[in-house]
Amino acid sequence: EAGVAQSPRYKIIEKRQSVAFWCNPISGHATLYWYQQILGQGPKLLIQFQNNGVVDDSQLPKDRFSAERLKGVDSTLKIQPAKLEDSAVYLCASSLNSLYGYTFGSGTRLTVV
Amino acid sequence: DQQVKQNSPSLSVQEGRISILNCDYTNSMFDYFLWYKKYPAEGPTFLISISSIKDKNEDGRFTVFLNKSAKHLSLHIVPSQPGDSAVYFCAASPNTGNQFYFGTGTSLTVIP
Repeated sequence: EAGVAQSPRYKIIEKRQSVAFWCNPISGHATLYWYQQILGQGPKLLIQFQNNGVVDDSQLPKDRFSAERLKGVDSTLKIQPAKLEDSAVYLCASSLNSLYGYTFGSGTRLTVV
Repeated sequence: DQQVKQNSPSLSVQEGRISILNCDYTNSMFDYFLWYKKYPAEGPTFLISISSIKDKNEDGRFTVFLNKSAKHLSLHIVPSQPGDSAVYFCAASPNTGNQFYFGTGTSLTVIP
């Protein structure tokens, strides 16, 4: 099966600019996650979707971050405006059943300068 | 508040020997645990899991041990191979089975 696709792989922006990331999960996976991994730390959940509904967004900084999953398939994560501390790898993952773990994409490495 | 901790940032092991990676957690509600392996520039890949009803799970060269009373789990790799060199993350989930909380990772280097 094809894996979780993410784009772009790398992005460099200036602070206060906006940026968007795209994720295409594995076909048939109803659950989609966006994780933020800051250098030297483990991945931290930003938002979890079940189909096109939000299950958990308690750790999403909603003043600047937004995410959507239209039609329950692809998802986009947006940051506006970006801050220096947003520099991180943004990982998208999907699962059929979270008890068997997620399948992660390769991530988007964001550098805010 | 880091609920899952991996206190060893790095570990070096000779090829053929055993690698032991440790993980501690603080939330007694966690009942499902995963180990992920991550190569540079790639996303983490699922390695092995264990639920709280078991204290050991084995898959080839990889064995995960769970000590619920100590809130501790470990991953044993025997024998270690150079291709095992990667960052290993442990992750834990409460009984909702949804969000997993990740540790900070241990970078394993297997020396040929």
